Amino acid sequence: DAKTTQPPSMDCAEGRAANLPCNHSTISGNEYVYWYRQIHSQGPQYIIHGLKNNETNEMASLIITEDRKSSTLILPHATLRDTAVYYCIVRPYGAGSYQLTFGKGTKLSVIP
Amino acid sequence: DTGVSQDPRHKITKRGQNVTFRCDPISEHNRLYWYRQTLGQGPEFLTYFQNEAQLEKSRLLSDRFSAERPKGSFSTLEIQRTEQGDSAMYLCASSDKGGAPSDTQYFGPGTRLTVL
Repeated sequence: DAKTTQPPSMDCAEGRAANLPCNHSTISGNEYVYWYRQIHSQGPQYIIHGLKNNETNEMASLIITEDRKSSTLILPHATLRDTAVYYCIVRPYGAGSYQLTFGKGTKLSVIP
Repeated sequence: DTGVSQDPRHKITKRGQNVTFRCDPISEHNRLYWYRQTLGQGPEFLTYFQNEAQLEKSRLLSDRFSAERPKGSFSTLEIQRTEQGDSAMYLCASSDKGGAPSDTQYFGPGTRLTVL
């Protein structure tokens, strides 16, 4: 059973910020939120992860609500190369919790 | 290139044949994972190794599937008596921090299997 809910598709104009939402209302205290993306015919690529604080790296920002039931991945200036399927994953840490459980993700199309 | 590599990238086989895929993880990564991805779906976990020990297997890994990592470096995934339902992308990933929050799995490009 899915632990996250994402819209199946979104469009974003090139150069604008892309905001990808994710609902994870049943998240537990020891579960992190991870984001991966998969460009067509390639393996998934790690983007960012977080627990409860907002996180930023060179690729994106992750905003997690205070109750941790939802989050938003922000690509600040989307380019055509950001067109991909984006996966939001909740994953516990600790012994025996290594696998990633992917849903269907959000297909982001960046439009020129 | 120091990323995860997989070989072959594409494999076409006839139903009933055996196939074997290879994965070379990032150097010194002690954890290695196999996933399967069918069209339109996200990747699904198959199995996981820590060094040479296979520690976890999904129920998706039927008796026709076997994975090995004999020296704790590269891994192979063999499918015996292939069926059309085995057609999928087979992905390999590696990491070095186990269940730690900072653990990041890095994926290879995948092997696309087509069973005719």
